Amino acid sequence: SYVLTQPPSVSVAPGKTARITCGGNNIGSKSVHWYQQKPGQAPVLVIYYDSDRPSGIPERFSGSNSGNTATLTISRVEAGDEADYYCQVWDSSSDHAFGTGTKVTVL
Amino acid sequence: QVQLQESGPGLVKPSETLSLTCTVSDGSISSYSWTWIRQPPGKGLEWIGYIYYSGSTSYNPSLKSRVTISVDTSKNQFSLDLYSVTAADTAVYYCAKGGGFGEAWGQGTLVTVSS
Repeated sequence: SYVLTQPPSVSVAPGKTARITCGGNNIGSKSVHWYQQKPGQAPVLVIYYDSDRPSGIPERFSGSNSGNTATLTISRVEAGDEADYYCQVWDSSSDHAFGTGTKVTVL
Repeated sequence: QVQLQESGPGLVKPSETLSLTCTVSDGSISSYSWTWIRQPPGKGLEWIGYIYYSGSTSYNPSLKSRVTISVDTSKNQFSLDLYSVTAADTAVYYCAKGGGFGEAWGQGTLVTVSS
């Protein structure tokens, strides 16, 4: 099965930039999607197809994908961005795979 | 914006079948794929499988032998059956719109497997 590795936690001060990585073998050749999940709530799609934003998602959220790492970047971080973030890809060997998840803490 | 709502028993006995239904409102179930995802308490997300409105399916290989996803376009619903459950199947189960990624999600329903 295809393994996606994320750092367990990322801490960032308000107004600064948070970068959340998602590592996988040749992930740059796949489409990566990102979700935000706040406690007790369902996940919300924040980035799809590597870098597209659904309507209603702030421009502060952006994505990139190359080589063996995909990255979700949150600019000008706000307290409301504190949540768990998951990456997700489709791979022919395991269909859909989710990353291990990253807890973003706003200091 | 389409709305999704999961429904079904919150408690299932070991070795029995877990059955959930997802009702889609404010949109048609036709012309899209629909997905089930689960999340054990305190853990990450696991993709279960998806169904296209026409009935074609794709399942997580690790669950494939125990899973059936079906669709009822007349009721704008799709369903999940997970057979021979164990405590390891205890999780919040989510339904979502989309096959490649979940563009809209239900609120989730907790299913506990216990005698």
